Order: sequence, then C-alpha cells, then structure tokens
Amino acid sequence: EPEVTQTPSHQVTQMGQEVILRCVPISNHLYFYWYRQILGQKVEFLVSFYNNEISEKSEIFDDQFSVERPDGSNFTLKIRSTKLEDSAMYFCASSHDRGSSYEQYFGPGTRLTVT
Amino acid sequence: AQSVSQHNHHVILSEAASLELGCNYSYGGTVNLFWYVQYPGQHLQLLLKYFSGDPLVKGIKGFEAEFIKSKFSFNLRKPSVQWSDTAEYFCAVKSGAAGNKLTFGGGTRVLVKP
Repeated sequence: EPEVTQTPSHQVTQMGQEVILRCVPISNHLYFYWYRQILGQKVEFLVSFYNNEISEKSEIFDDQFSVERPDGSNFTLKIRSTKLEDSAMYFCASSHDRGSSYEQYFGPGTRLTVT
Repeated sequence: AQSVSQHNHHVILSEAASLELGCNYSYGGTVNLFWYVQYPGQHLQLLLKYFSGDPLVKGIKGFEAEFIKSKFSFNLRKPSVQWSDTAEYFCAVKSGAAGNKLTFGGGTRVLVKP
C-alpha cells in the first residue's frame, strides 16, 4: 500500500537555525498538508497546498514558515529561524481529492527538537 | 472556529471489554467526521469516516461510530477489544463547506490489558 514518507525522523537544531522537513506524498495525490503536535497538545493544522500554491493556512503558519514542492515528488516545510516553541512532531499528509472518498494519509512524522 | 473535544484522556480496559470513546465537535454547518488511530511507533491511520447517509459507520478492525447530529457527537465503539487495540485514538472534523483542514481532538490513549 502506498505511504507518505518523511525525513528525517528526528531533527535537532539550535534556536535561530533554519530547518527543512521533507515529505514524499503518495504519488497520485493532489493535496498536501502539514500538521504539528507539540508534546501533550493536540494535533494542529499548519497549512494545505494544492496546485502549487497554499490553499489554506492557520495562524501558526507565520512568515517564519514556508512550503514548497520543488519537484514532482517532494513537499517541504521550511522554518527560517527556529524558536524553542517550534519543538514538536511535524506530520505531513496528502489526499487525492475532496469528494466522499476523501481521506488524508499521514506520514510517520519528524520530531523537531530546538535547543 | 470549529473545535473538537474528546472526553477521556486515558482509558484502561481488559481484553474482551467493550470500548466507547466520546467525541464532540462544535460547528454549525455540514461536517465530515473521522476517527484516526496511532499504534505505538506508527503513523496516524484512518479507522473510519462519516460523510453522509447512514449515521452508523463501520470501520476497520471491528470499530464503528455513530453520528448524532443533535448532540454534535461522533462516538467510537468496539464491542470487544483486543490487546492489539492499545493505541491513541483521535477524532477529527473537516468542515463540509470549504477547505480541507482537519481539526483534531486531544486524543485518547487506550491501554488494553491482556
């Protein structure tokens, strides 16, 4: 069964550094998402991406964050200058469409630790 | 803004016991409802979903959920749990009107004792 993959599984970075989290969505999917889960808190939506542009973003997704689909397979989340509060598990997801067969498939996550 | 609440943070059961996890959402419009499960060390997987039609939805691994519109609820049930059902369970809502984002509840950790 096709899967969403994410790399790295764990990233440790110093405050102020830039990080790029990578995701490979399922190949025929058209919609891509990033969520995050701070330890002990809910899974929160960050951004959705369709047709090479952001379709929706949350208040969390400020100017420090950006997303890109640099080629036909990867979908990346960049945090320009990391803060301690960016430490979280980041999940990538993808879906095929918005109809009744809609389902978001999640990757295993990247645990980001900002020190 | 829509929100989702799961009433139980932790549930401990013995094998063969029945399981019911509560989920309530706040949103006045059309919603699509989901239950995801995360087994230890694994990624979020869809258990079941409701879009329309029969409010009693059957999912994988013997799980079912009932959408009660008047109560804004979508509770998950399984008549007889197994040790392998030990996992964290997440209820999620998507607005039917627009947008694809999922709003998640806080999750319920279920431990099934053998």
